Amino acid sequence: EPEVTQTPSHQVTQMGQEVILRCVPISNHLYFYWYRQILGQKVEFLVSFYNNEISEKSEIFDDQFSVERPDGSNFTLKIRSTKLEDSAMYFCASIRRGGVETQYFGPGTRLLVL
Amino acid sequence: GENVEQHPSTLSVQEGDSAVIKCTYSDSASNYFPWYKQELGKRPQLIIDIRSNVGEKKDQRIAVTLNKTAKHFSLHITETQPEDSAVYFCAARYSGGSNYKLTFGKGTLLTVNP
Repeated sequence: EPEVTQTPSHQVTQMGQEVILRCVPISNHLYFYWYRQILGQKVEFLVSFYNNEISEKSEIFDDQFSVERPDGSNFTLKIRSTKLEDSAMYFCASIRRGGVETQYFGPGTRLLVL
Repeated sequence: GENVEQHPSTLSVQEGDSAVIKCTYSDSASNYFPWYKQELGKRPQLIIDIRSNVGEKKDQRIAVTLNKTAKHFSLHITETQPEDSAVYFCAARYSGGSNYKLTFGKGTLLTVNP
């Protein structure tokens, strides 16, 4: 069964550094998402992406965050200048179409900002 | 926006007993309600979902009920086994529009004691 994949699985960075988290959604999916989960807390929506543009973003997704789908397969989340509070697990997800279809999650990238 | 409340935050049961987790949602436009199971350090995995035109759905030992009027839905696990131990998240989504983001509850840590 096709799966969403993410790299790296773990990333440690210094505060103020830029990080890029990478995702490969399931190949025939059209809607893409980033969520984050701070340790011990719920999964929170960051941003949704459809038709090569952001369709919605949360309050968390400020100017330090950006997303791209550079080549039709990868979907990236960039954090320009990381803060301590960005430490979390970041999940990529995708849906084939809209409506009531299942949203599939990647295995996550655990980001630690020191 | 949508707000999902989930109770209890922790639940401990004996193997073979039933477990019930309850969620309420705020947005009456939400019409899709998935439940995810997350084992430690792993991705959320869909275990069951329900659409708003259905009141109950069952899959082997797992069932979900939905009360649209009261805006609440519940997960029922019967004959629990130690491998059911995990964090369970409920979520809600509006399946119209063009976003389809999920709003999650805070999660329930289920422990099944052998």
